[in-house]
Amino acid sequence: GAVVSQHPSWVICKSGTSVKIECRSLDFQATTMFWYRQFPKQSLMLMATSNEGSKATYEQGVEKDKFLINHASLTLSTLTVTSAHPEDSSFYICSAQDGGGGNTIYFGEGSWLTVV
Amino acid sequence: AQTVTQSQPEMSVQEAETVTLSCTYDTSESDYYLFWYKQPPSRQMILVIRQEAYKQQNATENRFSVNFQKAAKSFSLKISDSQLGDAAMYFCAYRRPYTGANSKLTFGKGITLSVRP
Repeated sequence: GAVVSQHPSWVICKSGTSVKIECRSLDFQATTMFWYRQFPKQSLMLMATSNEGSKATYEQGVEKDKFLINHASLTLSTLTVTSAHPEDSSFYICSAQDGGGGNTIYFGEGSWLTVV
Repeated sequence: AQTVTQSQPEMSVQEAETVTLSCTYDTSESDYYLFWYKQPPSRQMILVIRQEAYKQQNATENRFSVNFQKAAKSFSLKISDSQLGDAAMYFCAYRRPYTGANSKLTFGKGITLSVRP
């Protein structure tokens, strides 16, 4: 089946620095990808919709300047957490829609971010 | 706006027994998709089962089946012959049948299922 790869799986960064998380669709083209944040034992919270070749659409309450999303190609979207703070520590997960495969949505493996 | 409600935060089932996880949703649309996702401790989201609203027949996947009641906007998941590996968090989700931004998933709060040996 289709695969979405997310990298890195784990990352630790210092407060004030920026960290980038990649989401790649390995065997299909994804014009749309979604970025979620998940706190322990809670549901997935949609942060933004990443659109290839255009600006991301952010959900209400999500800081655009803090969570930068770039979708420069049909197989890659990146989430950059800028000026990271400890409260940004969380599990981040992406998903991508296979427009040519029944519009199925596939999830990446997720990325654990710890800000120290 | 569409909403998905999972009112039970936790459930437990004896190994080899059957358990049903409840989900209700609210939408004004007639065509949509419903899903159950499993999230084990690894946090990988695994699609368990999918139901198209226009199909009257309930979806089944091996030990997993759903009871889809469109008029009642209910979508429960039945797990038969429960196994230890079924222990996970389960999310009910709704999606419109479109591509692009309109295809985003709306998730319920999830339910933690434990399986007793």
